[in-house]
Amino acid sequence: AQSVTQPDIHITVSEGASLELRCNYSYGATPYLFWYVQSPGQGLQLLLKYFSGDTLVQGIKGFEAEFKRSQSSFNLRKPSVHWSDAAEYFCAVVPYSSASKIIFGSGTRLSIRP
Amino acid sequence: DTEVTQTPKHLVMGMTNKKSLKCEQHMGHRAMYWYKQKAKKPPELMFVYSYEKLSINESVPSRFSPECPNSSLLNLHLHALQPEDSALYLCASSQEGAVGYTFGSGTRLTVV
Repeated sequence: AQSVTQPDIHITVSEGASLELRCNYSYGATPYLFWYVQSPGQGLQLLLKYFSGDTLVQGIKGFEAEFKRSQSSFNLRKPSVHWSDAAEYFCAVVPYSSASKIIFGSGTRLSIRP
Repeated sequence: DTEVTQTPKHLVMGMTNKKSLKCEQHMGHRAMYWYKQKAKKPPELMFVYSYEKLSINESVPSRFSPECPNSSLLNLHLHALQPEDSALYLCASSQEGAVGYTFGSGTRLTVV
């Protein structure tokens, strides 16, 4: 079945530590891939997106993501987190078969330890 | 203007009320979307409008009625809602197709 999976429901990291949030997708062809961030009670903000080309994608707020076709993964990374990064992070895909729909993963809640 | 504006930000309504949510964008996007998001869950697609015509309805109950009066506006009319309809309602827009969404900040709806 087609899906996008975020295996970590909740992650806590110390301020200044590095971060990696996992995302795996299951589609026949490589879909368009996105990471969004949502602060409590707010809408979603696009961090970065991958359509094709360079597999390491730079985004806003110091985030980057690496597309690995062999692993069907699109993990989000940040070398040093800040307290303001505490939020919910959603991986999302737009499958070629249904370009009008964006499918979200279940989300990973990031907490920052002072 | 690179924003999607949603009004109101908060809405409390009774189960017999009629209310409307409004969404506006001036980016020239021709696709607009309504999503529903329950607490601690990802957004779920409700409706897609493409070139002001309804193209996707994800089997949403008829107590939710979308309307796209022009290419910049998207409304969601609410009538006879249930308490379980309480959620964050998000509007988004994009160029044709779903790549490059811009989301609004949402309307927090509480049905009492």
